Amino acid sequence: DAKTTQPNSMESNEEEPVHLPCNHSTISGTDYIHWYRQLPSQGPEYVIHGLTSNVNNRMASLAIAEDRKSSTLILHRATLRDAAVYYCILRDHPGNTPLVFGKGTRLSVIA
Amino acid sequence: GAVVSQHPSWVICKSGTSVKIECRSLDFQATTMFWYRQFPKQSLMLMATSNEGSKATYEQGVEKDKFLINHASLTLSTLTVTSAHPEDSSFYICSAAGAPKSYNEQFFGPGTRLTVL
Repeated sequence: DAKTTQPNSMESNEEEPVHLPCNHSTISGTDYIHWYRQLPSQGPEYVIHGLTSNVNNRMASLAIAEDRKSSTLILHRATLRDAAVYYCILRDHPGNTPLVFGKGTRLSVIA
Repeated sequence: GAVVSQHPSWVICKSGTSVKIECRSLDFQATTMFWYRQFPKQSLMLMATSNEGSKATYEQGVEKDKFLINHASLTLSTLTVTSAHPEDSSFYICSAAGAPKSYNEQFFGPGTRLTVL
């Protein structure tokens, strides 16, 4: 799977939007961009995924660059419960293939 | 989303003993389960992939005789850490996949924290 690069950590004020960047300059045409997050002492949970078009769901939005070499996860209003490590993962075959985790971005939310 | 459980949530054992960790998919049939290990302040590392009814595939560097994986049914996979030592202390996490429910999304268990004294 292609590699992703994320900042080690970010900080946000509560109730403000958060933009978490991810670079994936070696992405292939069939790679999907997935985002998972891991709250402290828990297993990861799915956030969102996309291929080419921007995506929205109840948790977040995913903005994908036109050349697909970068993407941004957008949390519209950060809450204290959003403090977690966010992982950007490329996956070329959905379904029964493993997720390969990088280091992710540790998001801190300040009240 | 689907529910994946793990049992126990935490375990403390003496060095040299074996520990079994269960991973269950509660509301779908998981044809494939993955086992990860996570050391403090580090990311998840894939240990092995198990498909129901067949032998697990281990990642490079993971000893298959030490980490025994059984996936005998579509809802249960077990990881047994044999002759555990302090360096095996870690957070073990399983995830389950089974189309079509998890075609795009993988479902993770809450993790099991193993401490070997």
